Amino acid sequence: DAGITQSPRHKVTETGTPVTLRCHQTENHRYMYWYRQDPGHGLRLIHYSYGVKDTDKGEVSDGYSVSRSKTEDFLLTLESATSSQTSVYFCAISEGHGGETQYFGPGTRLLVL
Amino acid sequence: AQKVTQAQTEISVVEKEDVTLDCVYETRDTTYYLFWYKQPPSGELVFLIRRNSFDEQNEISGRYSWNFQKSTSSFNFTITASQVVDSAVYFCALSGNTGFQKLVFGTGTRLLVSP
Repeated sequence: DAGITQSPRHKVTETGTPVTLRCHQTENHRYMYWYRQDPGHGLRLIHYSYGVKDTDKGEVSDGYSVSRSKTEDFLLTLESATSSQTSVYFCAISEGHGGETQYFGPGTRLLVL
Repeated sequence: AQKVTQAQTEISVVEKEDVTLDCVYETRDTTYYLFWYKQPPSGELVFLIRRNSFDEQNEISGRYSWNFQKSTSSFNFTITASQVVDSAVYFCALSGNTGFQKLVFGTGTRLLVSP
């Protein structure tokens, strides 16, 4: 199994508060991703990173920001959480892009009240 | 634009039955990759298979088999002699191979295998 951890695994927060989710990998993979999973939508890409300090937006990036200061860590921040951001968040990693297999972390379940 | 359709929302079978999960994809790329992932009730996403568009050979891994047909843009997944432990949500996904290509997921098929 790919060495990917996510923290926290569960979080309950209130609308308007900032939230940061952390993804940590031990595989030294260049690419890291953040997805959200919602019923009826499958998984949708929020942001991705193709190297330290190199990030870009995915299809549902509004309300989210990311940072990657080290190869092994990829942070997802909700600047001001809203109820629509209640979801399960998955981090993924891959060695390369364009068809490389993505391996997923265990997920973070976030509830915004 | 790329798209993956898993028309079967939920399938229920009895143990030992064979079951096929359908996946239909759309892409304009000539080179692309198809994937299947399993999400058991515990919630993690488990990679099952990756297939590139130039390899139409069917793949078998134990009780699992995959049928890739470019002519019908399908990449179907069959579980033979299903078991209760196969109960999960199964996702089909598609990626191109030039530049950054995101992984596009279908909405998943929930498989319930009862004893």
